[in-house]
Amino acid sequence: EDKVVQSPLSLVVHEGDTVTLNCSYEVTNFRSLLWYKQEKKAPTFLFMLTSSGIEKKSGRLSSILDKKELFSILNITATQTGDSAIYLCAVESNDMRFGAGTRLTVKP
Amino acid sequence: GAGVSQSPSNKVTEKGKDVELRCDPISGHTALYWYRQSLGQGLEFLIYFQGNSAPDKSGLPSDRFSAERTGGSVSTLTIQRTQQEDSAVYLCASSLGPEYYEQYFGPGTRLTVT
Repeated sequence: EDKVVQSPLSLVVHEGDTVTLNCSYEVTNFRSLLWYKQEKKAPTFLFMLTSSGIEKKSGRLSSILDKKELFSILNITATQTGDSAIYLCAVESNDMRFGAGTRLTVKP
Repeated sequence: GAGVSQSPSNKVTEKGKDVELRCDPISGHTALYWYRQSLGQGLEFLIYFQGNSAPDKSGLPSDRFSAERTGGSVSTLTIQRTQQEDSAVYLCASSLGPEYYEQYFGPGTRLTVT
């Protein structure tokens, strides 16, 4: 059965810290891996990854995919309190599989 | 325990036909959300239910789209007179309540309109 596992489930850091969130997956017919930030009602799209080894970057956030080892990481540098959220990883294959999310808390 | 389930998992339909997608949320979850994911796009919010009422329908793309929820549980999303641009993965999520950020997603229904 397809599955997506995120770690850690919860993380508490202080402003300025760098964090790395992990997402591993086992799916058949992989199409893409997506990262979302969830604060309120609807998750906000961050990145879509389809190719191995190509880093995607947006400001302080970056992400990379390893299709051989079947995982992706999401890095956030110089964290701010506004980064506090649940970060979701989803893999699109024959359907969409979401991980349980990582709850990130950034303290001032 | 059982997670969010959706049916059918795949649906291929001809342009102009109506389709009905079903979502079974996690038992006890009062909030239910429908989203759409088109190829290469992020999640697009469609509609949100709290209990049986829908306080936010702002994301429904046209009047061909409607949704209902009965008994505070199962929800159906209906698309009338489907168009090719309706092709997407339709995702349902539920949470304990609107104040809870943790939404649990179903596996989605992949809709293809030919």
